[in-house]
Amino acid sequence: GAVVSQHPSRVICKSGTSVKIECRSLDFQATTMFWYRQFPKQSLMLMATSNEGSKATYEQGVEKDKFLINHASLTLSTLTVTSAHPEDSSFYICSARNGRERASTDTQYFGPGTRLTVL
Amino acid sequence: SQQGEEDPQALSIQEGENATMNCSYKTSINNLQWYRQNSGRGLVHLILIRSNEREKHSGRLRVTLDTSKKSSSLLITASRAADTASYFCASSGSARQLTFGSGTQLTVLP
Repeated sequence: GAVVSQHPSRVICKSGTSVKIECRSLDFQATTMFWYRQFPKQSLMLMATSNEGSKATYEQGVEKDKFLINHASLTLSTLTVTSAHPEDSSFYICSARNGRERASTDTQYFGPGTRLTVL
Repeated sequence: SQQGEEDPQALSIQEGENATMNCSYKTSINNLQWYRQNSGRGLVHLILIRSNEREKHSGRLRVTLDTSKKSSSLLITASRAADTASYFCASSGSARQLTFGSGTQLTVLP
């Protein structure tokens, strides 16, 4: 149980195009999903927190108009990188939290990640 | 930055040896978690230790937590070549968000 999928796993696009990444919780309802960015050989940095049916909360320094997040259902969140540029090239990872778990033991379940390369 | 620190940054050991990684965090926590990441892949959850626990075991993994020092350690016993990966600690606080450590790259030589 607790499987999170991400699609696509890899995308290469031209500068100026928009790219949509999907994150799905396959066997549980995720009231909250998170989007992270990871540069090579670095740790994960939280970009935004997405709650089903409400606007995402972005971390300081993350442009909300650049990284559009939609969490329309309890099993799907999408991240759209708008007008992508080479500096947006990175590994994007989503995670989902099961809304039924308590704070002391709640776990985030991670997707396999999406490698974005902007030419 | 609120990111935690991990040491060592890189660790290379022989198969069969034990590997110890340390993690420090900055704020009060509900729990602390350890994850593993193979190169270019997503994260795999290894173990969670609650703030009121001091030690936890899972198979070859042993995790300790010292909330007074805001630190945790992960011990992998009898390491295998397949344990080669990056290991991250992540603290979960009142906002129930994860703040990741800088990671330790473990290489287990056959």
